[in-house]
Amino acid sequence: GEQVEQRPPHLSVREGDSAIIICTYTDSATAYFSWYKQEAGAGLQLLMSVLSNVDRKEEQGLTVLLNKKDKRLSLNLTAAHPGDSAVYFCAVSNTGNYKYVFGAGTRLKVIA
Amino acid sequence: DMKVTQMPRYLIKRMGENVLLECGQDMSHETMYWYRQDPGLGLQLIYISYDVDSNSEGDIPKGYRVSRKKREHFSLILDSAKTNQTSVYFCASTGDINQDTQYFGPGTRLLVL
Repeated sequence: GEQVEQRPPHLSVREGDSAIIICTYTDSATAYFSWYKQEAGAGLQLLMSVLSNVDRKEEQGLTVLLNKKDKRLSLNLTAAHPGDSAVYFCAVSNTGNYKYVFGAGTRLKVIA
Repeated sequence: DMKVTQMPRYLIKRMGENVLLECGQDMSHETMYWYRQDPGLGLQLIYISYDVDSNSEGDIPKGYRVSRKKREHFSLILDSAKTNQTSVYFCASTGDINQDTQYFGPGTRLLVL
């Protein structure tokens, strides 16, 4: 079945710097790609999702890149601020089966 | 207002007791999920429900069962809870049109003593 690896597990950056989180997956049939943010004591909140026909998507200081050849998905937080401190998860799914596989998470700390 | 609710938010049970976790959504989503979250493991899918009485095992169904009698409600049941079922449990839902978006509840923190 699908395997997802997420790195790094922990990331610390200074305010204003970029933070990059990467996920690699194994199934070439993967069609849906999402990034979620989880703040302490809360559920997961969708940040951005892309379909397999999208290579790049930017929204509100976030950039998602999808490299299907290398089976790599990345999330770039440009100009991170302390409010971005949280745990971030990638999630991928095949077409039609509605089952998602999540990465293990990246705990991001943005230092003021 | 698109919302997934979970009850209770916190629960302490003794080993061998039965546990009922409830989830509700107000978006008429067909598909609902139960996950558990443990440190370093991300979210693991326990069960998925495609609609009323249409449930399917996820990756770690052992020790759990589910019930979905109404589209807006999805229950997770632990018959005779075990200490290794101590975890945070999340419910989520997704609609047909936006399969790429899951809406998550706030989670239930379960401690089994």
